[in-house]
Amino acid sequence: GAGVSQSPSNKVTEKGKDVELRCDPISGHTALYWYRQSLGQGLEFLIYFQGNSAPDKSGLPSDRFSAERTGGSVSTLTIQRTQQEDSAVYLCASSQGQLPSYEQYFGPGTRLTVT
Amino acid sequence: AQSVTQLGSHVSVSEGALVLLRCNYSSSVPPYLFWYVQYPNQGLQLLLKYTTGATLVKGINGFEAEFKKSETSFHLTKPSAHMSDAAEYFCAVMKGNAGKSTFGDGTTLTVKP
Repeated sequence: GAGVSQSPSNKVTEKGKDVELRCDPISGHTALYWYRQSLGQGLEFLIYFQGNSAPDKSGLPSDRFSAERTGGSVSTLTIQRTQQEDSAVYLCASSQGQLPSYEQYFGPGTRLTVT
Repeated sequence: AQSVTQLGSHVSVSEGALVLLRCNYSSSVPPYLFWYVQYPNQGLQLLLKYTTGATLVKGINGFEAEFKKSETSFHLTKPSAHMSDAAEYFCAVMKGNAGKSTFGDGTTLTVKP
């Protein structure tokens, strides 16, 4: 079946512009996660949605970052007034639930370059 | 707070040699532990995980890891490296049922012929 998909695969934007990154989770998965992977570093947790519960936004680095999940499916991560330090690969993952027994399936990522 | 430390950002082994990738964690509660692999130009894939039960966990592609609470470690091993094992490996810890995971910085494994 289809895995997690993300679009665009690559995005180049000018400093100060807003960008939207999209994630389509696996159908039926109630949990959705956004991570950021900077060059040479591990994954940094950004935000997590579980069903209809309030999202866990504890990883968002600044108020320029926001995310929403419409209809419990597709999610959009928005970065306003992009800065060069926002350049990274943004990864989305989904799972059947929040329990650790459920595997997180990762998408291929969106590579964001801020010039 | 919890954290994950992967000792050695780069590890190089010869084909057929033992692979040992080290991971230590800190957590205020018993953690759930994971190893992920990222092949070049591909997404992350779960290799194995420890949640409860047996502390020696077997995963895909011949990898295994042992949870040692006394050492706060979850090292990844494979008896005999293959060229196809060349990739980046990430250790991660999840605290309870929080959902989100904390990842280490990754270890790049190179396999020499």
